[in-house]
Amino acid sequence: NAGVTQTPKFRILKIGQSMTLQCAQDMNHNYMYWYRQDPGMGLKLIYYSVGAGITDKGEVPNGYNVSRSTTEDFPLRLELAAPSQTSVYFCASSYFPSGVNTGELFFGEGSRLTVL
Amino acid sequence: KNEVEQSPQNLTAQEGEFITINCSYSVGISALHWLQQHPGGGIVSLFMLSSGKKKHGRLIATINIQEKHSSLHITASHPRDSAVYICAVPIGSQGNLIFGKGTKLSVKP
Repeated sequence: NAGVTQTPKFRILKIGQSMTLQCAQDMNHNYMYWYRQDPGMGLKLIYYSVGAGITDKGEVPNGYNVSRSTTEDFPLRLELAAPSQTSVYFCASSYFPSGVNTGELFFGEGSRLTVL
Repeated sequence: KNEVEQSPQNLTAQEGEFITINCSYSVGISALHWLQQHPGGGIVSLFMLSSGKKKHGRLIATINIQEKHSSLHITASHPRDSAVYICAVPIGSQGNLIFGKGTKLSVKP
């Protein structure tokens, strides 16, 4: 099993450009999450999904969109990139909600995005 | 005020030392996560616990629900334990987590 796969690992964008961060998991997990990690700060939830076709906003959703057409894939789209979106992005998945005792989280390797 | 507070922020230890990292939280929880972020950036789950104590190798995690406090202990620390250790607390029913800022541990040989 590959676990959670994120691409790309690094990307530099110009202000106003758009891009999609890809996330795929092969563990048949229902729950998937996108987080961003800024220097000196805890991870913040951007969007999450509890199953195919169901997504919801997290703590910091502005400037992002997601879709979940399949159980495996949960892409994150950045529209009109801004310098404030410079961050490291992590995708994660779990079989149960991560608040349940068995809801172990599996993380991708992260995607470092710089907006200039 | 951050709802999940970790201490210390930075910790330097000599190889072999016993290490304790603390996590205090102000939100209600059903379980608490301890995560390890490697120097290369990858994050792995170490523990989830909702009561008592869990042990995995040289790592021990404890939680006191009444005091809203958890500790992560590392016995016989080794340079390969150098990493950022993060605690996270679930809110809501969908598994959304609030994360601490992390404790950066450096173990010197």
